[in-house]
Amino acid sequence: GNSVTQMEGPVTLSEEAFLTINCTYTATGYPSLFWYVQYPGEGLQLLLKATKADDKGSNKGFEATYRKETTSFHLEKGSVQVSDSAVYFCALRPYNNNDMRFGAGTRLTVKP
Amino acid sequence: DSGVTQTPKHLITATGQRVTLRCSPRSGDLSVYWYQQSLDQGLQFLIQYYNGEERAKGNILERFSAQQFPDLHSELNLSSLELGDSALYFCASSALDRTTDTQYFGPGTRLTVL
Repeated sequence: GNSVTQMEGPVTLSEEAFLTINCTYTATGYPSLFWYVQYPGEGLQLLLKATKADDKGSNKGFEATYRKETTSFHLEKGSVQVSDSAVYFCALRPYNNNDMRFGAGTRLTVKP
Repeated sequence: DSGVTQTPKHLITATGQRVTLRCSPRSGDLSVYWYQQSLDQGLQFLIQYYNGEERAKGNILERFSAQQFPDLHSELNLSSLELGDSALYFCASSALDRTTDTQYFGPGTRLTVL
């Protein structure tokens, strides 16, 4: 079936460090892939998405590339800020239905 | 602010009771989705409605049901509540029904079953 596996947290980084959160998926066909961010006490916000192989999603300095050959969609940011502290969810939406699958979430804490 | 509103923000009730959660989608969005977020199960898709009709079902229990009204708001009904139903319930909306559509999430309703 369709599923997402993402790097377990928590992840703690210093400000301006490089961030990578790994995400791999299992799905038939070509799913759409998403990264969502959840700040404390809030709902999920879309961070970026990619809908076909080799697409790169980017937003607010975050990037992720849809890699069909490695079934991955790793999230990266070159220089994190304290304000990036949140929980990050990788998600996939199958090509043929709306049963969205989420990873377990990775909590990121950025220290000044 | 995503434009999706959910009420109430918090709900505390007892086992065996029934509750209704309400969601208003972003203006113009036709699809509404319901999700449950719990510590043990993570974030799970429950059900989707598109323009008043049920479109997709995920891990929704038979004790739970939903509907979408002509004004496009949606309600999630949870009955015969159990302790394990305590969770954050999110509603999301999207413009249409395409799998590439972005879903916009509401702030959630926190349900506590005592």
